[in-house]
Amino acid sequence: GAGVSQSPRYKVTKRGQDVALRCDPISGHVSLYWYRQALGQGPEFLTYFNYEAQQDKSGLPNDRFSAERPEGSISTLTIQRTEQRDSAMYRCASSLGTSGRGTGELFFGEGSRLTVL
Amino acid sequence: GNSVTQMEGPVTLSEEAFLTINCTYTATGYPSLFWYVQYPGEGLQLLLKATKADDKGSNKGFEATYRKETTSFHLEKGSVQVSDSAVYFCALNDAGKSTFGDGTTLTVKP
Repeated sequence: GAGVSQSPRYKVTKRGQDVALRCDPISGHVSLYWYRQALGQGPEFLTYFNYEAQQDKSGLPNDRFSAERPEGSISTLTIQRTEQRDSAMYRCASSLGTSGRGTGELFFGEGSRLTVL
Repeated sequence: GNSVTQMEGPVTLSEEAFLTINCTYTATGYPSLFWYVQYPGEGLQLLLKATKADDKGSNKGFEATYRKETTSFHLEKGSVQVSDSAVYFCALNDAGKSTFGDGTTLTVKP
């Protein structure tokens, strides 16, 4: 597609349920990133992939959070046994390159707003 | 670890006023620096970037210069318009990982 696509745009769930958030990056982009953004704050890094390999998952808050990108394109962020503190905007971004100066420009989707009741 | 600190908002200006939003960073490596903008109801999009010391990024009348000696990347515009009202995020990218500031909300009044 023309841009980064995320679904669902809005998700309301009850505490204890599992949720899966989907990200379809720009075609041909090697790197895919997941960020979480609380109201009034900047995006907080969760994890990222180069192709299908998860390069860094140091930002995942705990083991209820996981992400995959099995074919190097679409990615899913899964939150198990959701808690109210998981409520936030979850943003996906993709980029052309992998590392080094001169790369790093991110193209963001519109985000998935998760509300846990 | 890496971090980005930007000027707290909100900032309210009259149309045609001069804008400065301060941004400083700490990084273990030699990062690239970015300003992203989020217009109401939209996602974040790149405004400008600079990849090495003394580089100046510019776009849509906005400018920012990579100052390694002061670890800063302040955003400026000489004459703001109502359409510039948005949230502005300073960010760095170091070895493939981007770190963002908390954003500064700009409101421009006619």
